Amino acid sequence: DQQVKQNSPSLSVQEGRISILNCDYTNSMFDYFLWYKKYPAEGPTFLISISSIKDKNEDGRFTVFLNKSAKHLSLHIVPSQPGDSAVYFCAASAKNNNDMRFGAGTRLTVKP
Amino acid sequence: NAGVTQTPKFRVLKTGQSMTLLCAQDMNHEYMYWYRQDPGMGLRLIHYSVGEGTTAKGEVPDGYNVSRLKKQNFLLGLESAAPSQTSVYFCASSYWASATYNEQFFGPGTRLTVL
Repeated sequence: DQQVKQNSPSLSVQEGRISILNCDYTNSMFDYFLWYKKYPAEGPTFLISISSIKDKNEDGRFTVFLNKSAKHLSLHIVPSQPGDSAVYFCAASAKNNNDMRFGAGTRLTVKP
Repeated sequence: NAGVTQTPKFRVLKTGQSMTLLCAQDMNHEYMYWYRQDPGMGLRLIHYSVGEGTTAKGEVPDGYNVSRLKKQNFLLGLESAAPSQTSVYFCASSYWASATYNEQFFGPGTRLTVL
């Protein structure tokens, strides 16, 4: 069963506009959430994270929002840049659990 | 620092053949992981290790074995490869896996095809 879901396989936005990537989860034990970015032929790289005790975490152009009641998180990229074009994975883990679960990924394309 | 490296980058096997994928990290991380990535499935954890000499099963461990004889190395073995094991394999490492911090550093991946 897929406990972390990214229902949009792809997203295309214009340079300078906002990109919003969504992620839903089903396991209420998850308490830490991460976003990873992946370029072709490379491994994923950590982008930003959020603990369940927060509802927002911001790092430069990247902001992650967490809605625990809806079991939903989103990644906002503002403004979007062509270099942001990549596959973005949402991931979640539970306290004292080494089994991190990943979503299937969303391919973001930022057009110049 | 090289970070996390994986050997080989590509491999083609015939059904029933065996092979070992090598992962090495130079960040003195305690935790190491093996994932597989399949289309539409994201990354799924195969096995992991919380320290030298220890290993544990992840979400999809069947058909794989692992060993962590040295802290910096984590080996993934396929004893009898099957076409269902065609995938991209990623190794990762982290300082620890705690309630509040579990950033994992990934290698570049190994693309394995089993015919």
